[in-house]
Amino acid sequence: NAGVTQTPKFQVLKTGQSMTLQCAQDMNHNSMYWYRQDPGMGLRLIYYSASEGTTDKGEVPNGYNVSRLNKREFSLRLESAAPSQTSVYFCASSEAGDGYGYTFGSGTRLTVV
Amino acid sequence: KQEVTQIPAALSVPEGENLVLNCSFTDSAIYNLQWFRQDPGKGLTSLLLIQSSQREQTSGRLNASLDKSSGRSTLYIAASQPGDSATYLCAGQDSNSGYALNFGKGTSLLVTP
Repeated sequence: NAGVTQTPKFQVLKTGQSMTLQCAQDMNHNSMYWYRQDPGMGLRLIYYSASEGTTDKGEVPNGYNVSRLNKREFSLRLESAAPSQTSVYFCASSEAGDGYGYTFGSGTRLTVV
Repeated sequence: KQEVTQIPAALSVPEGENLVLNCSFTDSAIYNLQWFRQDPGKGLTSLLLIQSSQREQTSGRLNASLDKSSGRSTLYIAASQPGDSATYLCAGQDSNSGYALNFGKGTSLLVTP
């Protein structure tokens, strides 16, 4: 089925470890996004890529880096994980602009101990 | 930044009741408005997308309206069922941050048999 695929689905890290969350879409969308979801905070934008080759910071970018590897793939990297980064991470894609909806992946549940 | 507020935060209704979920946003220069459903521990499922030139969208028992002048959207659910129990998220899109969605914190709906 067409959509947004995220890996892994679950991950436990120790403080200071690094990891990369992977996201791939097969809808030929130009724009991709990373959000985090925390209880009581809603979904907050971490980084986005409006088109292949570009990336920009969102609302909560500290502690993260991203790579738009190609049009399909957009990865999120935690260089030195902290307990405050315990969250559920969602990747989304869209054509962006008026009239286009967004498709979300199933999420990665990350725990940093 | 577009601020999105959802009221109420939680709602419990008996099966069969019609109900309305409210969403307000601060910037009338909104493009799309999208309603999502999220089941516990799951990802986001798109319910309805209202484009900026539209005033409402319908899908089955769901109807969503958009009034840009008043900064409000409503999601109407007819003849509620226990299977409708979930968190409903409203998200508005503007031209900032690569047309990223700005989310409300959601309304947690419980439909009791």
